[in-house]
Amino acid sequence: GENVEQHPSTLSVQEGDSAVIKCTYSDSASNYFPWYKQELGKGPQLIIDIRSNVGEKKDQRIAVTLNKTAKHFSLHITETQPEDSAVYFCAASKGGGGADGLTFGKGTHLIIQP
Amino acid sequence: DVKVTQSSRYLVKRTGEKVFLECVQDMDHENMFWYRQDPGLGLRLIYFSYDVKMKEKGDIPEGYSVSREKKERFSLILESASTNQTSMYLCASSLQGLNEKLFFGSGTQLSVL
Repeated sequence: GENVEQHPSTLSVQEGDSAVIKCTYSDSASNYFPWYKQELGKGPQLIIDIRSNVGEKKDQRIAVTLNKTAKHFSLHITETQPEDSAVYFCAASKGGGGADGLTFGKGTHLIIQP
Repeated sequence: DVKVTQSSRYLVKRTGEKVFLECVQDMDHENMFWYRQDPGLGLRLIYFSYDVKMKEKGDIPEGYSVSREKKERFSLILESASTNQTSMYLCASSLQGLNEKLFFGSGTQLSVL
């Protein structure tokens, strides 16, 4: 089955700096790559996703890049703010509407230092 | 607004007890999921359901069962709770054909003593 590796497990950055979280996946058939953000005391929430026919996607201060050849994808957060502090999970899926869900990475705890 | 509600935020049970975790969604979603979240291990899929009375095992189904009698409700059952089932349990739902876009509840922190 699919295996998703996520690094780093903890990332501390100064407010205003950029943060990058990286993930690799093992199954070349995977074609959908979402990122979820989990704030303290809440469930994960989808923040951005990308499909394998696209190399990059942006939404305001966050962006995701995908390298299909190398089988890795990354989350980039620019101009970090205190409310960006959370645990971030990457995931991979073969899509196609099947009900077997996603394979998640182990998560990155992002800490924004004031 | 989309909503997935888990019946309890915190739950404390004793070893050997039968435990029910309830989840309700108000979005008319076909798919529902139960995940377990542990520090350093991320989110692991226990069971999922793509229709009423249907269920499929996920990656770690041992020691658990599920029930889906109505479309909006998905229950996770620990037949005989053990200390290694102490964890955060997250319920999620999604539309048919869009299983990747999950909507999560806030979670139930279960402690088995």
